[in-house]
Amino acid sequence: AIQMTQSPSSLSASVGDRVTITCRASQGIRNDLGWYQQKPGNAPKLLIYAASSLQSGVPSRFSGSGSGTDFTLTISSLQPEDFATYYCLQHYNYPPTFGQGTKVEIK
Amino acid sequence: EVQLVESGGGLVQPGGSLRLSCAASGFTFSGYCMSWVRQAPGRGLEWLANIKQDGSEKYYLDSVKGRFTISRDNAKNSLYLQMKSLRAEDTAVYYCARDLVTIVRGVIITTIQPEYWGQGTLVTVSS
Repeated sequence: AIQMTQSPSSLSASVGDRVTITCRASQGIRNDLGWYQQKPGNAPKLLIYAASSLQSGVPSRFSGSGSGTDFTLTISSLQPEDFATYYCLQHYNYPPTFGQGTKVEIK
Repeated sequence: EVQLVESGGGLVQPGGSLRLSCAASGFTFSGYCMSWVRQAPGRGLEWLANIKQDGSEKYYLDSVKGRFTISRDNAKNSLYLQMKSLRAEDTAVYYCARDLVTIVRGVIITTIQPEYWGQGTLVTVSS
């Protein structure tokens, strides 16, 4: 199975900060990567698909980039509602595998 | 509005069985691949299984292959996960999800990436 290494595992940031989360695949996955946001007690929410396409209804402060093995999720200006855990997911082949998550906390 | 509602979770003894259901509405259920994903308490997400639109193809995580069976009833707009030989490490919230379909240069691409998720159902395996 393809391993997804996500970093950092947690970070503290302030409202208005630019935040970057990275995900590295153990082998090339083209752009078959998505990013999810999960708040406590809630199901994950798809933010980005195909590495850089914004899911409908997701604020434009979220963006994704990368291809092959290295990917990035960027929040351009962190808002109070963005404090959550973020996961990447590769769906290049079976089984789809998630990164271990990045918890974004209030500084 | 897409809605996915899981049910069937609960407390089960090690070695026991449980069948989870997911009732879908708000979309043409038979047109989409569906998946199950779980999350152990305080842990990350783990994809478990996926089933094609007509049920003809099913894929599983190795650690649940032979113990879990995914199925669907398109006439009832329902997805199922039959679980047997349950272990303590199967304790988790189980989510059903509709997989993403995208259109690239006019071509419909089905993916194994969950797009819409249910609220989850908790399965606890304990004596």
